[in-house]
Order: sequence, then C-alpha cells, then structure tokens
Amino acid sequence: SAVISQKPSRDICQRGTSLTIQCQVDSQVTMMFWYRQQPGQSLTLIATANQGSEATYESGFVIDKFPISRPNLTFSTLTVSNMSPEDSSIYLCSVSGITNEKLFFGSGTQLSVL
Amino acid sequence: DAKTTQPTSMDCAEGRAANLPCNHSTISGNEYVYWYRQIHSQGPQYIIHGLKNNETNEMASLIITEDRKSSTLILPHATLRDTAVYYCIVRALGGYNKLIFGAGTRLAVHP
Repeated sequence: SAVISQKPSRDICQRGTSLTIQCQVDSQVTMMFWYRQQPGQSLTLIATANQGSEATYESGFVIDKFPISRPNLTFSTLTVSNMSPEDSSIYLCSVSGITNEKLFFGSGTQLSVL
Repeated sequence: DAKTTQPTSMDCAEGRAANLPCNHSTISGNEYVYWYRQIHSQGPQYIIHGLKNNETNEMASLIITEDRKSSTLILPHATLRDTAVYYCIVRALGGYNKLIFGAGTRLAVHP
C-alpha cells in the first residue's frame, strides 16, 4: 500500500485567507483525489487531480475556490481560497495504485476557519 | 455509480461476529463491491472488495448474494478497535472511476 503524507495535519485560519494543503506519496500512483469531510458528515469528492493538466471538479466545486496542482506522479496540492467558516472541514487526499484496484487515504488536514 | 443502502448504526458485543449488510440493487455487471471503514479522526481504511465471489482476507469476509444485489461484511471476532463507520461502495475499475461515499454504518463494539 502507498504511504501518504499530508501537510499540515491541522490549521486554524482567519476568514478571507487561503490555505494550501500538500499531499506527498512514497511511490508513483495513477490517480489522486481530494475529498472534503464536513463535521459529522461522510466524505464528498472535490476533484480528481490530473498530472500535467487541469483538475476535474465534481458538481458544486470550482477551480477558483479549490485550485489543485499535480506537477508529477507523487505530489499534489489543494488550496482552499478566500476561506469562510463554512470551509471548516477535514480535507483528505486519496491515491490509487498502478492497478487502480484500491484507493488509499491520507490522515487528513483538519481545517478550522474563524 | 450505483447507490448503496446501509443501516445507520449497529451494535456488536466484543468477541462476537459483526455482520454489516449492504443493499446495492442497481449494481452494474462491471461494478465491484468495496468496503472501507473510518475510525474516528483517521482517513478511511480499505477493508476488502469483490465482484461476485465471496472474498476473505485477514481483516474480514465479504459475502455477495448470487444476484449481486446485496452483500454482507463479516468481522468474525469484533474487538473494541473495530468501532468505526463502515462504508459500502460500488465502483467499476478503470482509470477514472472514483469512490463515492454514502452515509455508512456506525458500528459500536461494546465490552
């Protein structure tokens, strides 16, 4: 299984600022995804991070609010822009291996917006 | 992706088998049944997946009905550390096929 490191593990931010979350994998992976988990809720897929091209966003999520980069096969970033208290959530990175059979998850970034 | 239906919550005594049901009546022929769990404050953990045959690994067993419209995840000897939210997800393999999470079943294992 892939080892996924997410940074930061938690942060407290002020309204109107932006936070960039990093996801680093210890091996090359095919697919990388970003999820959001609001308090007490299940996981919601934000987007698929595509290497070398624009991310593919799910309904309800837009690039201006959640810009994503994936410069290579082992690294991706998610930025939460112009934050409001409603953005307080856990943000999780997920990756699939070469066979794309299983998805693995990082431990998440706990974001609180004041 | 096909939707799944799971009970909101279940209880299980420590040491007993935990049987978690899942309905996926609209599953397509190329979709697998996946189970993940999320222990509090952690990312989801892969448990097991299968297409139509029953599967077993070191964590659990997966029983899929012959018509593939439902399945059961079995934790043979539940421990307190198995307390978590368990998600049943159907997903086709392939490069862009995502995991779409439902509400899951909150399993509480008690002494």
